[in-house]
Amino acid sequence: NAGVTQTPKFQVLKTGQSMTLQCAQDMNHEYMSWYRQDPGMGLRLIHYSVGAGITDQGEVPNGYNVSRSTTEDFPLRLLSAAPSQTSVYFCASSYSLGGDVNSPLHFGNGTRLTVT
Amino acid sequence: GNSVTQMEGPVTLSEEAFLTINCTYTATGYPSLFWYVQYPGEGLQLLLKATKADDKGSNKGFEATYRKETTSFHLEKGSVQVSDSAVYFCAHATNTGNQFYFGTGTSLTVIP
Repeated sequence: NAGVTQTPKFQVLKTGQSMTLQCAQDMNHEYMSWYRQDPGMGLRLIHYSVGAGITDQGEVPNGYNVSRSTTEDFPLRLLSAAPSQTSVYFCASSYSLGGDVNSPLHFGNGTRLTVT
Repeated sequence: GNSVTQMEGPVTLSEEAFLTINCTYTATGYPSLFWYVQYPGEGLQLLLKATKADDKGSNKGFEATYRKETTSFHLEKGSVQVSDSAVYFCAHATNTGNQFYFGTGTSLTVIP
């Protein structure tokens, strides 16, 4: 059981380049989300999805796009990378909403992105 | 608005010392409260949670009590081990569960 798989683990981009961070889960979770982790800022929610075909914005959505065409996959797209997007990105999923103890957030191991 | 404030780190303790990491929250209504732990190079893992006032969450010797009157959820452990070295995050979920709000994390190092 792989859980939540994020690729790539590391990425360096130049300003203005685009890329997609991949996230896949094999637990049949309805809820998926993307966070960025910055020093002194904790984790901040970028976008989330409560099921295939449904996405919504979190706390810091600007500069990022998402789509959810299948239950398993939730890619995060940077259309024109900026140095301010240098961060560690985490994908997380859960079976249901509400953060139930039987349905906690499951995190991937993160993608470390550097934009120069 | 929604937010979580937890004590600044880093925290360094000797093995078998008592641990407290303070956490307070601001939220609408009565959110569920969580502590997550992040080991080096890994994603976050749920450590414990509480869903209503006066609930005590516990796991692996860690405990935290949901205090509605002080809007707090402090993490405690009576005797830490070297293997507890990690970053600890306090978090709460909105009433709908759609959004989680995390604190900035507290780095703990336990020395033998």
